Amino acid sequence: EIVLTQSPGTLSLSPGERATLSCRASQSVSSSYLAWYQQKPGQAPRLLIYGASNRATGIPDRFSGSGSGTDFTLTISRLEPEDFAVYYCQQYSSSLTFGGGTKVEIK
Amino acid sequence: QVQLQESGPGLVKPSETLSLTCAVSGYSITSGYYWGWIRQPPGKGLEWIGSIYHSGSTYYNPSLKSRVTISVDTSKNQFSLKLSSVTAADTAVYYCARRDRNWGSLDSWGQGTLVTVSS
Repeated sequence: EIVLTQSPGTLSLSPGERATLSCRASQSVSSSYLAWYQQKPGQAPRLLIYGASNRATGIPDRFSGSGSGTDFTLTISRLEPEDFAVYYCQQYSSSLTFGGGTKVEIK
Repeated sequence: QVQLQESGPGLVKPSETLSLTCAVSGYSITSGYYWGWIRQPPGKGLEWIGSIYHSGSTYYNPSLKSRVTISVDTSKNQFSLKLSSVTAADTAVYYCARRDRNWGSLDSWGQGTLVTVSS
């Protein structure tokens, strides 16, 4: 099983700042099979990025994904108030697993 | 616009079988996606349970495989989850979702349903 480790666990930032979230895999993941989700309290997760760097339908361009192999990054260029949430990475290179999540909170 | 809706009992007794159904609307379940279940214990992260294709091919989380059955009913455009021998550790919000065949990403989700295991 591929284990995904997300860091940091919590990111405290102000609106307008840049957020950089990390997802590290225990073994190599095909870039085609790396996705990122946003989850707000009481809501289902929402797909943000698929294939490591492709934005899902309707996702603003302040969200971007990058990386390959075992290291992947989600970047939010300028945080909007609605971006404060928990973010998960997910891989499908071997079975399907999620990372433990990064909470982006208002500083 | 595809919509998914989970339904089933919100309370299940320990050692019994949890049963949930996901009704899909706005999209045919036979049109080329996988359909799956994910759960989230209160205050914790996401755990994939398994997926099914309309042909009946299934893929399960190895850690749950011995207790999970996912089935599909194409005539009703829905799919179902059965999890046997439940314990308190199975208490979670259960989501159904659509999984892209090519990218493996989950692009549409139901709202989720809380299932509590308690006597």
